[in-house]
Amino acid sequence: QTVVTQEPSLTVSPGGTVTLTCASSTGAVTSGYFPSWFQQKPGQAARSLIYSTNNKHSWTPARFSGSLLGGKAALTLSGVQPEDEADYYCLIYYGGAQLWVFGGGTKLTVL
Amino acid sequence: EVQVVESGGGLVQPGRSLRLSCAASGFTFDDFAMHWVRQAPGKGLEWVAYISSSGSSKYYADSLKGRFTISRDNVKNSLYLQMNSLRLEDTALYFCGKSPEVGDRPLGFDIWGQGTTVTVAS
Repeated sequence: QTVVTQEPSLTVSPGGTVTLTCASSTGAVTSGYFPSWFQQKPGQAARSLIYSTNNKHSWTPARFSGSLLGGKAALTLSGVQPEDEADYYCLIYYGGAQLWVFGGGTKLTVL
Repeated sequence: EVQVVESGGGLVQPGRSLRLSCAASGFTFDDFAMHWVRQAPGKGLEWVAYISSSGSSKYYADSLKGRFTISRDNVKNSLYLQMNSLRLEDTALYFCGKSPEVGDRPLGFDIWGQGTTVTVAS
């Protein structure tokens, strides 16, 4: 069974920078896994921030960026705002198996 | 405005069936692949199923194969999820989502609605 692993929790200070990562149990995550990132605030539906590694939507704040880092997908928040406190999920596509798998999520605390 | 609205959820007994619907508007529905995703109470997101823009390709989460069927009606701009042999662990908020770009590349999804709640209980 394929497992996608994220940091369970991270803490960052307002104005700081933090990087969340997303690892695959099958090996290095590459662009061919089309990693996506989602943000979910308490009581709200999740919203997409990044797709296909580093593509932003029209609504994605500029301080969010996606990349590949050390064999993992990464989401970097630069100049963190208090409203960025949320759960963040990555999504990985496995072409051979024709399925997508979410990571377990990272709870980001801004403190 | 690009919008998807899920419906059809409810309370159902284990072993019964339910059909979810997703009404799309504000975009050319038959240009985009679509997905279903779910979230159990207090849990993380779980991808459920994918269907290509034409409906010719369908993929499912391994744990759901054989019980759930995704389909679409490009004339009615609607997406469906037929759920059979429902189990307690299928209790969740179900969302539909559209691909971020035209076509069938595996880009995940962007716009999704507020979801429809499925509760499986005896």
